[in-house]
Amino acid sequence: AQSVTQPDIHITVSEGASLELRCNYSYGATPYLFWYVQSPGQGLQLLLKYFSGDTLVQGIKGFEAEFKRSQSSFNLRKPSVHWSDAAEYFCALGAGNQFYFGTGTSLTVIP
Amino acid sequence: KAGVTQTPRYLIKTRGQQVTLSCSPISGHRSVSWYQQTPGQGLQFLFEYFSETQRNKGNFPGRFSGRQFSNSRSEMNVSTLELGDSALYLCASSFELTGGGEQFFGPGTRLTVL
Repeated sequence: AQSVTQPDIHITVSEGASLELRCNYSYGATPYLFWYVQSPGQGLQLLLKYFSGDTLVQGIKGFEAEFKRSQSSFNLRKPSVHWSDAAEYFCALGAGNQFYFGTGTSLTVIP
Repeated sequence: KAGVTQTPRYLIKTRGQQVTLSCSPISGHRSVSWYQQTPGQGLQFLFEYFSETQRNKGNFPGRFSGRQFSNSRSEMNVSTLELGDSALYLCASSFELTGGGEQFFGPGTRLTVL
């Protein structure tokens, strides 16, 4: 069955530090993978997506993600976190005719 | 191009009432999906409409229903509201069926059931 796992419920990083948010998926075919960000009380904003091709994907706000088929992972990274990056991050899988979301990772940024 | 819009943004209802939420997709998008978001359950898929037909349905009771109009606008209805229906309801649109392309989300409707 298709699923998405985000192992880290909550992460705290210092401003300026690097960030990596983990995402693992389960799907038998080539996945469509996405990372979304949600600020409090808001909808979801797409950060980046992977459909095919280059496994390193660049997104908005300085984020990137790497697709690793062998590990069934699609981890999100940012080299230097800004205070405005504090939000909830969701990894999603497009499979068949449905979207599957992870449970989200809440990011706190300390000055 | 205007984004996905949802109305109303906030709603307060009492148990037993019914509610209708509206979603206008991005122009040209034919698919509209609805999600329920709660702190305990996260994002849960309700249903998807494509070209006025329900194509997929999540694991929700029959009190949750929807429809899509010829202009792709969609409405979601919840009857006999329960306290547990309090949530942020998100609508997302895409050009194709969701598994085949990215979704664009609206700001959501915050429903509070008292």
